[in-house]
Amino acid sequence: GAGVSQSPSNKVTEKGKDVELRCDPISGHTALYWYRQSLGQGLEFLIYFQGNSAPDKSGLPSDRFSAERTGGSVSTLTIQRTQQEDSAVYLCASSLAVGAGARDEQYFGPGTRLTVT
Amino acid sequence: AQKVTQAQTEISVVEKEDVTLDCVYETRDTTYYLFWYKQPPSGELVFLIRRNSFDEQNEISGRYSWNFQKSTSSFNFTITASQVVDSAVYFCALSDWSRDDKIIFGKGTRLHILP
Repeated sequence: GAGVSQSPSNKVTEKGKDVELRCDPISGHTALYWYRQSLGQGLEFLIYFQGNSAPDKSGLPSDRFSAERTGGSVSTLTIQRTQQEDSAVYLCASSLAVGAGARDEQYFGPGTRLTVT
Repeated sequence: AQKVTQAQTEISVVEKEDVTLDCVYETRDTTYYLFWYKQPPSGELVFLIRRNSFDEQNEISGRYSWNFQKSTSSFNFTITASQVVDSAVYFCALSDWSRDDKIIFGKGTRLHILP
């Protein structure tokens, strides 16, 4: 079946502009995760959705970052007034997470490479 | 606090050699899960294994094996008879039972298998 898809695969934007990154999870997966992978920084957890709700938004780096998920499926991560330090690969993952959250195997998408110039 | 340490930033071995990737974790929870993920040059993370804290049995899957030792808070990963296709970045990760919404990843070990 289809895996997790993300769009765009690459995004170059000017500093100060807003960007939207999209994630389509695997059909039937209730949990969705956003991570950021910066050069030399490993994987940084940003936010997690169980259905449409996000119980914990503390991982978002600043109030310029927001995320939403509608219909329990597609999620968008929005970065407002982008800064150069936002340049990274943004990874989305989904899991079945029926009462088990992150303990379920997470399936990752290919990521969106964001470059802020 | 949760923490995962992968002390080896980069390792290079010649094909067919065995190689062990180290992972040390910290957690206050008595119930937790440990993971290994592989990130090949294509960039997509691939799940390799998940172990819970109650199961300390070592696991072998083909050329891959994992050594979980609670006494030293380690979950090391060994590739036997390495192949060039094993070249990737490998991430160790931890998920606490009490925080079922997130995984904490180590910074990864970049493995180069030289032909």
